[in-house]
Amino acid sequence: EVQLVESGGGLVQPGRSLRLSCAASGFTFDDYAMHWVRQAPGKGLEWVSGISWNSGSIGYADSVKGRFTISRDNAKNSLYLQMNSLRAEDTALYYCAKPDSSSWDIPIFDYWGQGTLVTVSS
Amino acid sequence: SYVLTQPPSVSVAPGKTARITCGGNNIGSKSVHWYQQKPGQAPVLVIYYDSDRPSGIPERFSGSNSGNTATLTISRVEAGDEADYYCQVWDSSSDNVVFGGGTKLTVL
Repeated sequence: EVQLVESGGGLVQPGRSLRLSCAASGFTFDDYAMHWVRQAPGKGLEWVSGISWNSGSIGYADSVKGRFTISRDNAKNSLYLQMNSLRAEDTALYYCAKPDSSSWDIPIFDYWGQGTLVTVSS
Repeated sequence: SYVLTQPPSVSVAPGKTARITCGGNNIGSKSVHWYQQKPGQAPVLVIYYDSDRPSGIPERFSGSNSGNTATLTISRVEAGDEADYYCQVWDSSSDNVVFGGGTKLTVL
């Protein structure tokens, strides 16, 4: 059974940093790209970032480019999102999502985690 | 950047057919995927590559895509279909994943 378990969320002040993790199991992690998608309270889905199976290709939404860094450790079956210079508008539930492809540019998300909540507030 | 436009809400009586549209410039040239999200839950893929259904998704769910509009069709709507629905594409010009704003389906 595929499982994606996010962690690392919490309350953080504007301008500070936070690192999210996603622990994957039930599939061959290094066969697939991975993505982060967020959802602000009461709002729609917003793609944040994606990374190919071997970290060779990475992409970011314009809203987080230069502030967020996606990475993965295939030996640990884990995906990460380093979030710096956080803003109030980054407040959201952050989902880890698995596409049905090794390439990050074929984003058909067949599995999602339950999300970890990030709240940016003073 | 590429924009996908969905109606905020659609209402349908049980047993009838619901159609949820997703508009975008020449969206017919892109592959469209649809997700269902119920309150407090993660999204679930219900249609991919315009009209394919993942295993476990009822045949009542179908999709089409042409011109400037993609459509998710839910036949014989049930109370359990009440949810938010999102369309999604890959925009190669910006190397971005793009989601529509979402449509809340209400079963009357």
